[in-house]
Amino acid sequence: RKEVEQDPGPFNVPEGATVAFNCTYSNSASQSFFWYRQDCRKEPKLLMSVYSSGNEDGRFTAQLNRASQYISLLIRDSKLSDSATYLCVVTLYSSASKIIFGSGTRLSIRP
Amino acid sequence: ETGVTQTPRHLVMGMTNKKSLKCEQHLGHNAMYWYKQSAKKPLELMFVYNFKEQTENNSVPSRFSPECPNSSHLFLHLHTLQPEDSALYLCASSQDFGQGFNQPQHFGDGTRLSIL
Repeated sequence: RKEVEQDPGPFNVPEGATVAFNCTYSNSASQSFFWYRQDCRKEPKLLMSVYSSGNEDGRFTAQLNRASQYISLLIRDSKLSDSATYLCVVTLYSSASKIIFGSGTRLSIRP
Repeated sequence: ETGVTQTPRHLVMGMTNKKSLKCEQHLGHNAMYWYKQSAKKPLELMFVYNFKEQTENNSVPSRFSPECPNSSHLFLHLHTLQPEDSALYLCASSQDFGQGFNQPQHFGDGTRLSIL
């Protein structure tokens, strides 16, 4: 089982739609969680951190479910500019610290 | 605009060459990272430096040799690479790296490396 798993997509949705994707992680001791966004042939950029209580930033909502070991990202009122690959990142600091990126979920917003 | 600058942007080298990748960050951060991104694979963490000390080496072959002379600069020295080492190499920085790490990382644009 991969340490961090994401549905690769692509998700192809119309502008204005709501879209959600999940990311599952295997290590229950994982400590912090992030969503990054990566545009084609560009570097990853932080979209948002994911907190235990869930957090919202404009049209984006991130949630963490420790019991089921997944995080989610919800995008409301999607824009053409939201088209990108969304990367789930999980970190674990211990004797063997890890920063683990998922393979990413491709999102394409159509007009 | 990025506070993390990588050079060169593209590099083509033969398997017997020696070259170096350079990363510089202007964010006042204390931790710097090298990642490898291959086609259709997730980013793989290679090395972590925290306050100039190497803290992680994720089983990276010795043909990759990192160097961190100060908190703002990070190098990746390459020698006798293999074709499968062709990839995008990304540098990142964060405030620091430690217990309960929960900081955002800022990435450079990457160096696209091709091994002939």
